[in-house]
Amino acid sequence: LAKTTQPISMDSYEGQEVNITCSHNNIATNDYITWYQQFPSQGPRFIIQGYKTKVTNEVASLFIPADRKSSTLSLPRVSLSDTAVYYCLVGDKGSGTYKYIFGTGTRLKVLA
Amino acid sequence: IAGITQAPTSQILAAGRRMTLRCTQDMRHNAMYWYRQDLGLGLRLIHYSNTAGTTGKGEVPDGYSVSRANTDDFPLTLASAVPSQTSVYFCASNPGADEQETQYFGPGTRLLVL
Repeated sequence: LAKTTQPISMDSYEGQEVNITCSHNNIATNDYITWYQQFPSQGPRFIIQGYKTKVTNEVASLFIPADRKSSTLSLPRVSLSDTAVYYCLVGDKGSGTYKYIFGTGTRLKVLA
Repeated sequence: IAGITQAPTSQILAAGRRMTLRCTQDMRHNAMYWYRQDLGLGLRLIHYSNTAGTTGKGEVPDGYSVSRANTDDFPLTLASAVPSQTSVYFCASNPGADEQETQYFGPGTRLLVL
């Protein structure tokens, strides 16, 4: 299973773009990269998932370089409500086993 | 749409007691998971089930057991609780079939073992 490394915490101001980078040097060929968001006292919530290049949805963008050894979650124009913990994880899709390693995540604090 | 429900919401348990945390999903997802979340350690996978009738061990399975008698339910049992099992427990599920797979999480169960 590919291990991920991401910053422990980040601070940003409202209206700014926030980029959170995650490294996953041992990513396997069949692995997808998935990002989750967790608010206090709640379970994690899916944000975005990708395999390579760039993926964009209504919430965020995910940039994945060609070697796929890292990925960057981009949150455009953050607001106070984006304060949360963000998890990068790499999914082992081989042999039908879906065991995701969440890690400790990045604690994002958005300031007014 | 209920999604995933967990019960109880919270529990205080004496060490040595047996406890079953319940998890039910109404999305007909094949795969289900149990995680524990401790301060500073993120979420760690305890057990998982790819489909009804099968289960597997995650990162921290010791002291826990699971069963998957049907698609909807995935109970987690602590046979003899210890204080180190004090944690927040999350159940999750995913379809297990599509490429764009995501996990849907329940609201969690807060367990305090004294």
